[in-house]
Amino acid sequence: DPKIIQKPKYLVAVTGSEKILICEQYLGHNAMYWYRQSAKKPLEFMFSYSYQKLMDNQTASSRFQPQSSKKNHLDLQITALKPDDSATYFCASSQGGAPNERLFFGHGTKLSVL
Amino acid sequence: GDSVTQTEGQVALSEEDFLTIHCNYSASGYPALFWYVQYPGEGPQFLFRASRDKEKGSSRGFEATYDKGTTSFHLRKASVQESDSAVYYCALGASGGNYKPTFGKGTSLVVHP
Repeated sequence: DPKIIQKPKYLVAVTGSEKILICEQYLGHNAMYWYRQSAKKPLEFMFSYSYQKLMDNQTASSRFQPQSSKKNHLDLQITALKPDDSATYFCASSQGGAPNERLFFGHGTKLSVL
Repeated sequence: GDSVTQTEGQVALSEEDFLTIHCNYSASGYPALFWYVQYPGEGPQFLFRASRDKEKGSSRGFEATYDKGTTSFHLRKASVQESDSAVYYCALGASGGNYKPTFGKGTSLVVHP
């Protein structure tokens, strides 16, 4: 059974709309991350959270907002969608956020913005 | 900021060939180094890591040695199989006070039978 669940697996949106990408992990981890993968930038760090607090942020645009309602959830809200936002978004987790910890990834949500 | 440079594009080999994928890094601190593998339709999977200079990481016949002097962590395998075909990522753990694990651009390995 997958230990990191991302929903939905595929998502089609129109330009200007808003979507929420869901991520839940059942590994008992305290750190969670979002990455984006596209042809232009293969695996790009977006956010890191540890114990539900933002640790680091590489996303220039405020259109991307992570939301952590529970320790094992880190959703990603994207507003005012643009075609350039089309990518696969991966959620990941690690034990506590320490620098030498391995990351566990979900299977991704593939977003297409028309 | 921290960065990783690895062999670009695709590496095409035949079964039983020797594999090398180069990885060099630039970091402000002393990061742990990782290799991940990604199969189509899945997220990256951890392969192995090394946390200090001269430490060798290995898994499934793949190996790499942390070399702080040359800032490298090259991936090697003595004899590849068709099932090794995948995209391989070299990565840095967070370091220097940041919390951004950083990945290289990935190298696509295609192994022909």
